[in-house]
Amino acid sequence: DAGVIQSPRHEVTEMGQEVTLRCKPISGHNSLFWYRQTMMRGLELLIYFNNNVPIDDSGMPEDRFSAKMPNASFSTLKIQPSEPRDSAVYFCASSLDGTRGTDTQYFGPGTRLTVL
Amino acid sequence: AQSVAQPEDQVNVAEGNPLTVKCTYSVSGNPYLFWYVQYPNRGLQFLLKYITGDNLVKGSYGFEAEFNKSQTSFHLKKPSALVSDSALYFCAVRDGTRRALTFGSGTRLQVQP
Repeated sequence: DAGVIQSPRHEVTEMGQEVTLRCKPISGHNSLFWYRQTMMRGLELLIYFNNNVPIDDSGMPEDRFSAKMPNASFSTLKIQPSEPRDSAVYFCASSLDGTRGTDTQYFGPGTRLTVL
Repeated sequence: AQSVAQPEDQVNVAEGNPLTVKCTYSVSGNPYLFWYVQYPNRGLQFLLKYITGDNLVKGSYGFEAEFNKSQTSFHLKKPSALVSDSALYFCAVRDGTRRALTFGSGTRLQVQP
């Protein structure tokens, strides 16, 4: 069974450009999470979806960030315009039912974003 | 609010010796506790979780964790460390009312041959 799939694995872009990160959750999972990992701030939750609906986006840094989940098998995280301080590793995770406290999240391999 | 503390940035242990990676937590209500491991340039891999019941939880790769309610701790342990266990370990917590996990800052485990 394939795990969480993320693309691209690495992205290098210039400041001001639009960046789109993609995620395919594990089939049958109803919840999807976007995290950002940096040395300074560790792992931060950006947003999560349940049944394709955004439940909590309070972790999204600012209006430059947006996330969508048009269907159960695909999600995007977009940064427009990108800035050097957005450089980080972005992880997508999915779980069977995020409404349950006992639910386990499974992580993708991450996208390493570098904004020059 | 929920929070997790991993007091050690790095733990060094010799191969074959027992290892412990510490974690303390703070939540309102019953805690659900998780351990993940991250190898270089990889995503987080789930190791084990505590939901309820037996305070000693067994997980993948020979790891186990002990839940201590009075000390609000959930330390990760392994009886005999391997060099291949060298990685970054994260403790995470969630209470029953929140859907998001809160992660600790991570502890780097270095196992020397």
